[in-house]
Amino acid sequence: QQQVKQSPQSLIVQKGGISIINCAYENTAFDYFPWYQQFPGKGPALLIAIRPDVSEKKEGRFTISFNKSAKQFSLHIMDSQPGDSATYFCAASIDQAGTALIFGKGTTLSVSS
Amino acid sequence: EAQVTQNPRYLITVTGKKLTVTCSQNMNHEYMSWYRQDPGLGLRQIYYSMNVEVTDKGDVPEGYKVSRKEKRNFPLILESPSPNQTSLYFCASSMTGGTGANVLTFGAGSRLTVL
Repeated sequence: QQQVKQSPQSLIVQKGGISIINCAYENTAFDYFPWYQQFPGKGPALLIAIRPDVSEKKEGRFTISFNKSAKQFSLHIMDSQPGDSATYFCAASIDQAGTALIFGKGTTLSVSS
Repeated sequence: EAQVTQNPRYLITVTGKKLTVTCSQNMNHEYMSWYRQDPGLGLRQIYYSMNVEVTDKGDVPEGYKVSRKEKRNFPLILESPSPNQTSLYFCASSMTGGTGANVLTFGAGSRLTVL
């Protein structure tokens, strides 16, 4: 009930290509879905987040697509760049004080130049 | 600069030798949490704290202790470390209440090796 399943575990994309990472959740009470980006040697940092009242959110080259009925959401990175090479974690939670974020297991993205 | 500071960043120790990883935040956040990151397992929550003197177990609390005597500090204590606690540890904090309550700010991580 509490899991967030993330795929793929690793991804190699050519520069300029589209990177797509998928996540699925089970708990229908979740109402906050962030993506965190982690560079080597650094802690994760919030990249972009969405709430279930919208189906898509875009910030620059990064887009979250959300499918409430399928209980799935995905991160799309357009025009992928070598600087996007990082580990990406999806997460889900009930957005209230102190509620734990449930993280996916992460996707390591490598963008080749 | 708003940040979460962890120390030490790297530590090699031996089985059974007590150690403490410190965590401090300067954002007046009420919520603080410890995670461990292992290959293929992602981020797993160890302990969290809603406020001073309020702590609770996460998903993998065995072998760890925490305390929250001050709002800014949340140390992670390994009373008797074992090799299966070799991992990368992250402290994180967030505000409480309101929209975006769960935006976590993470520290840079502490890589612990237990021999």
